Amino acid sequence: VQLVESGGGSVQPGGSLRLSCAASGFTFSYFWMHWVRQVPGKGLVWVARISGDGSRTNYADSVKGRFTISRDNAKNTVYLQMNSLRAEDTAVYYCLNWSEDYWGQGTLVTVSS
Amino acid sequence: DIQMTQSPSSLSASVGDRVTITCRASQDISNHLNWYQHQPGKAPKVLIFTASTLQSGVPSRFSGSGSGTDFTLTISSLQPEDFATYYCQQSYSDSFSFGPGTKVGIK
Repeated sequence: VQLVESGGGSVQPGGSLRLSCAASGFTFSYFWMHWVRQVPGKGLVWVARISGDGSRTNYADSVKGRFTISRDNAKNTVYLQMNSLRAEDTAVYYCLNWSEDYWGQGTLVTVSS
Repeated sequence: DIQMTQSPSSLSASVGDRVTITCRASQDISNHLNWYQHQPGKAPKVLIFTASTLQSGVPSRFSGSGSGTDFTLTISSLQPEDFATYYCQQSYSDSFSFGPGTKVGIK
């Protein structure tokens, strides 16, 4: 099983980034996929989730209206489109298969002027 | 969102100690409560799900209890590999949420 995040980097406040998470080793379309973030040295924060067929999504209040989770089951990939980024969105972002407790290694997003 | 709180925020303990961490939800979440262990440089891993079910492969010194709004994680005899940060997480609502974490350090 592998979950490999990419797309992190540095962006100015108000900017956008799209994170990707490529999955392998399990039947991707069967599972809800989640994003969780962690400010370095701080706690885990749940961000968003998407159902196996992509028809249902849920978000934390802190990102609702700014972030969009999506998936492409043909590519075994889940995405997190992050718009209107703020300094407080700076964190390591992890994708995970919550049901099976599979986690990626994380990708760092830094929002700073 | 359902708010989760944990106490204490940190503690120091010795190998062999019994350790108890509490978690409280801002509303009734039945037994939809999970406990995670997070060690630096590693992915978090689930220890307990549905409040009291031990994840396969997790040592039996870990146990969980509670329902409704109040939950407890107990480590019956702390081992060196248990020094880590522990998080509770609710999966009752459509939007999950974690507690702020409890860091267990070496006394």
